[in-house]
Amino acid sequence: EAGVTQSPTHLIKTRGQQATLRCSPISGHTSVYWYQQALGLGLQFLLWYDEGEERNRGNFPPRFSGRQFPNYSSELNVNALELEDSALYLCASSPSRQGARQPQHFGDGTRLSIL
Amino acid sequence: QKEVEQDPGPLSVPEGAIVSLNCTYSNSAFQYFMWYRQYSRKGPELLMYTYSSGNKEDGRFTAQVDKSSKYISLFIRDSQPSDSATYLCAMSDDDYKLSFGAGTTVTVRA
Repeated sequence: EAGVTQSPTHLIKTRGQQATLRCSPISGHTSVYWYQQALGLGLQFLLWYDEGEERNRGNFPPRFSGRQFPNYSSELNVNALELEDSALYLCASSPSRQGARQPQHFGDGTRLSIL
Repeated sequence: QKEVEQDPGPLSVPEGAIVSLNCTYSNSAFQYFMWYRQYSRKGPELLMYTYSSGNKEDGRFTAQVDKSSKYISLFIRDSQPSDSATYLCAMSDDDYKLSFGAGTTVTVRA
């Protein structure tokens, strides 16, 4: 069974540009989560999508946004990039929020570098 | 004060030793507890998942949760060099977002 896949592996941008990161969840999973892992700050929750809807949002500015497609894949968009946005962006997925809780499984991330 | 506290280490042990990792937390609403292992340049890999208080064992790994003390632990028995990684504790309440510890870097010396 394929795990969570993220693309691209590495993305280099300059300040003020926009970045788009993509995530495909494990087959059968409908929930997708985005986390930021910045040096010295640890893993911080960004966004949660389930069944195409945004369900929860972390303490990040509005220039961090995303969406979930009908096939449950997801995009994270970061506008007006700042130097401090340099981080590893991790996507996780889990089965539907309906029914018993299941743990989140992570992809290997997209490393975003802002020059 | 951070919501989840974890000693960042680093922790260095000889092969075959028991590795003990701990996290404390302040949010009494947390009821789902996880341990993840993260190798360099990889995403976190789920090791253990527990609900509420108690112990759970899976092979060489044992997870303990003490909700009265707001304290969770992970023990790795018969540690191997392949266990060298960063270990992250994570927890959540009903809102599905995970709150993570800072991670403990472990090196198992052959």
